[in-house]
Amino acid sequence: KQEVTQIPAALSVPEGENLVLNCSFTDSAIYNLQWFRQDPGKGLTSLLLIQSSQREQTSGRLNASLDKSSGRSTLYIAASQPGDSATYLCAVDGSGNTGKLIFGQGTTLQVKP
Amino acid sequence: EPEVTQTPSHQVTQMGQEVILRCVPISNHLYFYWYRQILGQKVEFLVSFYNNEISEKSEIFDDQFSVERPDGSNFTLKIRSTKLEDSAMYFCASSKDRGVNTEAFFGQGTRLTVV
Repeated sequence: KQEVTQIPAALSVPEGENLVLNCSFTDSAIYNLQWFRQDPGKGLTSLLLIQSSQREQTSGRLNASLDKSSGRSTLYIAASQPGDSATYLCAVDGSGNTGKLIFGQGTTLQVKP
Repeated sequence: EPEVTQTPSHQVTQMGQEVILRCVPISNHLYFYWYRQILGQKVEFLVSFYNNEISEKSEIFDDQFSVERPDGSNFTLKIRSTKLEDSAMYFCASSKDRGVNTEAFFGQGTRLTVV
């Protein structure tokens, strides 16, 4: 059974720092991995999708990497800003034909001005 | 930019009552999903739906739950007889494809409170 874990659960950094969020999954037979942002009481905003054959994806200050064989993904945020404060979730699709996502518990990030 | 819309944003209902949560997926998407998030817990998969059929459902999605696409735009989740433990944020999602290129887009959620 696929399990997704995110470490750390919470992170507080000063503005301007570069930071890395970690995601690990137990079953490497995934089709893709997706990173989301969730603001308090709000929905999930898709940040990046990495297909199983890809090693990384970039969008602006965000860079996500995937090492499928070791069951790990990282989300790198460059030059963090207070507006980046949110909970970041990773989710894996191991189903292929049903699109079912298995989520981690998230990392809550606070960027202090 | 196209988005998934959910109504209502918040619903309070009495235990034992039926509720219908509504979603309008992105217009050219073909695959639809419901997830829920109990306060402080992980986002959990409930059901996936394609071509007017359930593709997969979780253990949570028991006989009290049903989904329907009543017309070309809406996708609904019905809970027949709500329980206190059904209180959660319910998210609708949709995707254009499945497989390696599946990118799921989520709505803002409906917060269901069962009293």
